[in-house]
Amino acid sequence: DAKTTQPPSMDCAEGRAANLPCNHSTISGNEYVYWYRQIHSQGPQYIIHGLKNNETNEMASLIITEDRKSSTLILPHATLRDTAVYYCIVTVHGSGNTGKLIFGQGTTLQVKP
Amino acid sequence: DAGVTQSPTHLIKTRGQQVTLRCSPKSGHDTVSWYQQALGQGPQFIFQYYEEEERQRGNFPDRFSGHQYPNYSSELNVNALLLGDSALYLCASSLVGRGKEKLFFGSGTQLSVL
Repeated sequence: DAKTTQPPSMDCAEGRAANLPCNHSTISGNEYVYWYRQIHSQGPQYIIHGLKNNETNEMASLIITEDRKSSTLILPHATLRDTAVYYCIVTVHGSGNTGKLIFGQGTTLQVKP
Repeated sequence: DAGVTQSPTHLIKTRGQQVTLRCSPKSGHDTVSWYQQALGQGPQFIFQYYEEEERQRGNFPDRFSGHQYPNYSSELNVNALLLGDSALYLCASSLVGRGKEKLFFGSGTQLSVL
C-alpha cells in the first residue's frame, strides 16, 4: 500500500500557484519524498524529490515540514499543460530501490483558464 | 537523445494467449523496471532488471516474466492472459548510483485482452 495520502482532485486557475499537499506521517528517517506527474496518455514524469530540506528546480518547489510528516508541491505559475495526475511517493535510496516506487491514487490537478 | 521507447503502442489479445512487450531504456541507463497501470489507478510495480537479472519483484504471479539483454533493453512476457491483464504497461529506466535516483518512463503499451 502507498504510504502517502493525497486529495483526489484539485482545481487551479491558470497563472496562479498550484499547491498540492501530501501526508506521509509514517515516513522513516531514510525515506525521500518524490513527486511525479502523469499527463493523459503518457508515462509518469519526474518532477522533484527531497529528504528534509526544501528543494526547487525549473519545474517546481518542494516544501517539507520540519517533522517530515507532510509536504507540499508548488507549481508557481500553473498553465493548462500542468493538468495531470500528481503522485507523491516516499522511498529509500540505494541499489535496487530506485526502480520500485509505490504509487497511490494521486491528485488530479485541473488547471482552468 | 532518445528517451525510453516501448513497442508496440497498442496490442489486442484474447484470453489464454501469450504476449511480449519490449522496452529500450534511455541512453546510458542500465536498469529497467516494469509497471502495470489499470484504468483509473496508479502504476503498480511488476519487477526490475539490472545486470540481466531480476532484482526485485512486486506482487505479480509467475505468469509475468521478463528478460534483460546485454544492451540493457528488456522484455515483459505475460502467459495465459486473463481479462484482468488489460492495462497500460509502463517501462521505466534509471541508472544505479548516488545522485541518479529518478525514473524515466516510456509512454507505455496499451494491452487489451478480449
